[in-house]
Amino acid sequence: GAVVSQHPSWVICKSGTSVKIECRSLDFQATTMFWYRQFPKQSLMLMATSNEGSKATYEQGVEKDKFLINHASLTLSTLTVTSAHPEDSSFYICSANPPSYEQYFGPGTRLTVT
Amino acid sequence: AQTVTQSQPEMSVQEAETVTLSCTYDTSESDYYLFWYKQPPSRQMILVIRQEAYKQQNATENRFSVNFQKAAKSFSLKISDSQLGDAAMYFCSYLSGSARQLTFGSGTQLTVLP
Repeated sequence: GAVVSQHPSWVICKSGTSVKIECRSLDFQATTMFWYRQFPKQSLMLMATSNEGSKATYEQGVEKDKFLINHASLTLSTLTVTSAHPEDSSFYICSANPPSYEQYFGPGTRLTVT
Repeated sequence: AQTVTQSQPEMSVQEAETVTLSCTYDTSESDYYLFWYKQPPSRQMILVIRQEAYKQQNATENRFSVNFQKAAKSFSLKISDSQLGDAAMYFCSYLSGSARQLTFGSGTQLTVLP
């Protein structure tokens, strides 16, 4: 099956710094990738849709200047949390669409902001 | 907008027994897909089973099967011969045929008792 990787799997950063999370489709090309946020014992909340070669589409209530998304190639999308604060601590998951309707999920990144 | 409802926040089942997780959805579309995902403690999202709305036959995958009632907009998951490894959070999700964004239910935490 299709594989999606995320890096890093866990990151701790200080308040006010920026953190970049990478999402890669390893064995397929993905014109569209998605970024989710998940709090403990809750469902996945879609943050934004990342489109290769164009600007990301953000969901209502998601600050685009805080969560910068770049989809520079057909296999890589990045999420940068700028000026991170403790309330940004969460589990971030990406998914990618091959040329079919299915989505494949990365293993997630646990972000802790101290 | 589409909504997905899982009315059982928690369920438990005895090992080797059968359990059914409920899911209902709301849509005005005729072309869509439904999924059940499993999220174990590792938090990796794993696809359990998929159902295309145009297919009348209920999907099955080994011990997992669905009861897809299109008119009632119901999509329940049956797990037979439950195993300890089935313990996880289960999410029901909807994918529009015209869009690529998944809509998730709130999840059902399944505990398997030895």
